[in-house]
Amino acid sequence: GDSVTQTEGLVTLTKGLPVMLNCTYQTTYSPFLFWYVQHLNEAPKLLLKSSTDNKRTEHQGFYATLHKSSSSFHLQKSSVQLSDSALYFCALSATSSGQKLVFGQGTILKVYL
Amino acid sequence: EAAVTQSPRNKVTVTGGNVTLSCRQTNSHNYMYWYRQDTGHGLRLIHYSYGAGNLQIGDVPDGYKATRTTQEDFFLLLELASPSQTSLYFCASRDWGTYEQYFGPGTRLTVL
Repeated sequence: GDSVTQTEGLVTLTKGLPVMLNCTYQTTYSPFLFWYVQHLNEAPKLLLKSSTDNKRTEHQGFYATLHKSSSSFHLQKSSVQLSDSALYFCALSATSSGQKLVFGQGTILKVYL
Repeated sequence: EAAVTQSPRNKVTVTGGNVTLSCRQTNSHNYMYWYRQDTGHGLRLIHYSYGAGNLQIGDVPDGYKATRTTQEDFFLLLELASPSQTSLYFCASRDWGTYEQYFGPGTRLTVL
């Protein structure tokens, strides 16, 4: 079945440094990929989405590019802020997953001064 | 942005107790979902529905029932609650033809 893999459980960074959170997926159908962000004691919120191969999508300083050749949708930011500390989920929707989102395990990002 | 509300926000019950978690969305979305979130497991789908009277089984349905009474309302029922069901529960909705889901604020359930 479809799956999403986020390899880092925890990423810790100093404010102002760049970050990349990894996301790879498996599906035999054309995928729609998402990044959700969940701040402490809040609901997950949509951060980015894409279904277009090799096109960069951006929102709130974060960006990601869907690469179907490598089945990846890594999340990046050039300079992290304290407010970026949160849990980040990568998720996949595809014909094979029906009407469901398939979520990765999530990556906690902690940003320090 | 879609409005999804959940009640109660916090609930404590005892083993064997009955619990009903409520979810309402006010944007006439077709699909509604119930998830549980536990450390180390991310978001796991319990049940979902594509309209009033419809119910689809999710990935971790054991011990849970659900009912979609209207387009707006989706309920999660725990008829014999167990400590393993202590978790943070999220409801979400999405519209037909789109893929992104909008989440409610969550209900923290503790089963003693």
